[in-house]
Amino acid sequence: SQQGEEDPQALSIQEGENATMNCSYKTSINNLQWYRQNSGRGLVHLILIRSNEREKHSGRLRVTLDTSKKSSSLLITASRAADTASYFCATDASQAGTALIFGKGTTLSVSS
Amino acid sequence: DAGVIQSPRHEVTEMGQEVTLRCKPISGHNSLFWYRQTMMRGLELLIYFNNNVPIDDSGMPEDRFSAKMPNASFSTLKIQPSEPRDSAVYFCASSFAWDSGSNEQFFGPGTRLTVL
Repeated sequence: SQQGEEDPQALSIQEGENATMNCSYKTSINNLQWYRQNSGRGLVHLILIRSNEREKHSGRLRVTLDTSKKSSSLLITASRAADTASYFCATDASQAGTALIFGKGTTLSVSS
Repeated sequence: DAGVIQSPRHEVTEMGQEVTLRCKPISGHNSLFWYRQTMMRGLELLIYFNNNVPIDDSGMPEDRFSAKMPNASFSTLKIQPSEPRDSAVYFCASSFAWDSGSNEQFFGPGTRLTVL
């Protein structure tokens, strides 16, 4: 069963604009991770935010986590055509924390 | 490091045939995961191993699916007999995990399986 659900399913923007994707989940988590998948490739880890953190930055990426609402957002600032990909959030599946459950992803299309 | 290595990259087979997918995780990682990705169902966790021991195989769809990890550097996912609905991209991922929480997972390039 899906733990994380991304919203929107698809997003189309112009280069230079910001892209915001949201993720909602159902149960308590140890951490939440965001991954990117380019067409025909494997997933690549972008950023991890722990349950006791509220915000994290990595380059043009900004992730927030609201454990009271069981939600997270990924913001990509000043988007580029190369950011075109699918983005997935993933949460721990168990207390032991070794398995992740992925959402169905948001497909981002950035046009130049 | 070469990253997670999967073979074959593409597999086309006929219904009823046995299919074996292979994975070499990143050296030093203690957890290995098998996923299946389809348009309809998204990315599904099939099974994962911790220190070569299967921890959770509840995602394995049927008895036709089996996975082994004979040592820390090799794992297989076998489908016997294969069916057209098994057509998907199968990913292997590895990570170093500890009790306090999941670490990032490193994914292989995937095996695209087509069962005719």
